[in-house]
Amino acid sequence: GAGVSQSPSNKVTEKGKDVELRCDPISGHTALYWYRQSLGQGLEFLIYFQGNSAPDKSGLPSDRFSAERTGGSVSTLTIQRTQQEDSAVYLCASSPGGPYSPLHFGNGTRLTVT
Amino acid sequence: SQELEQSPQSLIVQEGKNLTINCTSSKTLYGLYWYKQKYGEGLIFLMMLQKGGEEKSHEKITAKLDEKKQQSSLHITASQPSHAGIYLCGADGTGTASKLTFGTGTRLQVTL
Repeated sequence: GAGVSQSPSNKVTEKGKDVELRCDPISGHTALYWYRQSLGQGLEFLIYFQGNSAPDKSGLPSDRFSAERTGGSVSTLTIQRTQQEDSAVYLCASSPGGPYSPLHFGNGTRLTVT
Repeated sequence: SQELEQSPQSLIVQEGKNLTINCTSSKTLYGLYWYKQKYGEGLIFLMMLQKGGEEKSHEKITAKLDEKKQQSSLHITASQPSHAGIYLCGADGTGTASKLTFGTGTRLQVTL
């Protein structure tokens, strides 16, 4: 079946511009996660959505970052006024929800801020 | 917050050799997830352990969780070039899988 789909796969933007990253989770998965992976760094948690509950935004690094999930499915991560330190691979994952549910990751969006 | 330390950071082994990667948590784990990542790709789920002393195997890869649920090991038997990649462990510190914390990964190269 179809896995987690992310678009675009690559994005180059100029410093100061806004960007939107999209994630299509696996159909029926209620939980959706955004992580960031910087060069030489581990995965950094950004935000978590579960069903209709309020999202856990505790990992968002600044107020320039926001995310929404429409209709409990597709999610968009928005970065406003991008900075060079925002350059990273942004990974989206989804899971059926509940304890001990493995996360299924997309291939990520590689963001480069010039 | 929960911290995970992986060792070694990188590993080069000859094809056919066995190897072990370790993952140590600063806190007791509710669940420990192992993933593999190839360059430019997302993470592929390998195995999840939740009970102290638990051991799971898939093909030539075996993962164990110690009794205290603070350390896990991933063992590959008779390594092959297809095993090359970055192995990451992810910890669930709450039992809800709501916010997995990941280690920095172990980069494995398998030489012919």
